[in-house]
Amino acid sequence: EVQLVQSGAEVKKPGDSLKISCKGFGYSFTSYWIGWVRQMPGKGLEWMGIVYPGDSQTRNSPSFQGQVTISADKSISTAYLQWSSLEASDTAMYFCARTINHDVFDVWGQGTMVTVSP
Amino acid sequence: AIRMTQSPSSFSASTGDRVTITCRASQGIRSYLAWYQQKPGKAPKLLISATSTLQSAVPSRFSGSGSGTDFTLTISYLQSEDFATYYCQQYYSYPHSFGQGTKLEI
Repeated sequence: EVQLVQSGAEVKKPGDSLKISCKGFGYSFTSYWIGWVRQMPGKGLEWMGIVYPGDSQTRNSPSFQGQVTISADKSISTAYLQWSSLEASDTAMYFCARTINHDVFDVWGQGTMVTVSP
Repeated sequence: AIRMTQSPSSFSASTGDRVTITCRASQGIRSYLAWYQQKPGKAPKLLISATSTLQSAVPSRFSGSGSGTDFTLTISYLQSEDFATYYCQQYYSYPHSFGQGTKLEI
């Protein structure tokens, strides 16, 4: 079965660093791009960026450029989203999802809830 | 960046109704449009790609149409499991922006 399994919920303080993960199962991880989507509480979906695990190419949204880093480690079929200094406004659910031609997201992870509070 | 605007933002309907959700792009996106369904506490689910291509296992009561800047998602005969929030997404240019969502309520 094709699956993306994300790391568990996190509770952090402002200024903390964080790296969340998304591991692929049941398909060739290096053949698909992996994207990240933010959903703030009670709000809509926001496209953050994508990474190609085969060669670590990325495409990033200007809205998130410089705020987060998207990366992947093909040796362990895992993609990452990381922050160097969290803010309260980073509190949200973060989904990873795969896309074969950096277009639509056909398989989604279960989501990782990140809460940033003093 | 391309802005995607959905209407209505929320909508009340009954089972058996035919409903249409509209998505407008701020510039032409050809047919590079997808629709997703999201239920509370769950990840989104891809329903339609390339404006009108239904994904496998998606019921045929869902359909999509449009091109250029104006697109629609139609549910021909609402079932109880269809009450959810629907998002359009353009993938014509980066960032691949989503609409703000349409919440379909009973």
